Amino acid sequence: LAKTTQPISMDSYEGQEVNITCSHNNIATNDYITWYQQFPSQGPRFIIQGYKTKVTNEVASLFIPADRKSSTLSLPRVSLSDTAVYYCLVGDMSIRGSTLGRLYFGRGTQLTVWP
Amino acid sequence: DTEVTQTPKHLVMGMTNKKSLKCEQHMGHRAMYWYKQKAKKPPELMFVYSYEKLSINESVPSRFSPECPNSSLLNLHLHALQPEDSALYLCASSQQSNTEAFFGQGTRLTVV
Repeated sequence: LAKTTQPISMDSYEGQEVNITCSHNNIATNDYITWYQQFPSQGPRFIIQGYKTKVTNEVASLFIPADRKSSTLSLPRVSLSDTAVYYCLVGDMSIRGSTLGRLYFGRGTQLTVWP
Repeated sequence: DTEVTQTPKHLVMGMTNKKSLKCEQHMGHRAMYWYKQKAKKPPELMFVYSYEKLSINESVPSRFSPECPNSSLLNLHLHALQPEDSALYLCASSQQSNTEAFFGQGTRLTVV
């Protein structure tokens, strides 16, 4: 399973763009990159998922270079409510026949947004 | 309905008690998960059920016993726990290949 490395913490101010980079040097061909957000005493919440290049949804963008050994979660114009832990997960989540779905969390990045 | 519902939200139990945590989803997801999360640590995978069969047991002590009665329900039976088992227990479900997993709000377990 691919191991991920993220900064332990990041600080930002309201209205700024935040980029959190995740390193996953031994990512496998079938692996996808998924980001989750977690507030204290709540379950993680899916943010975005991608395989290569760029993916954008209503809350974030995910940039993945051609070698896929890293990825960057971009949060535009953060607010105080974006203060949370952000997890990068890499793996093959498929459930096909005997292939098992696995979700392993790394240490995550504590993002703190200041007024 | 895109919710995973866990009950109870809080549980205090003695080391000799037997209790169960419950998890329910009605999204038709065929994979369900149990995670354990200690304070300021990432969630740790405990068990995975795929199509109602136990497919992954991450070397979890036998005092934790999972059960999947049907495709919508997942239980975690607890017996003879230790104080260090106190944690937030999270349930999640997902459909199939490379799709998002939905997590419940968790059960805050305290073993006294």
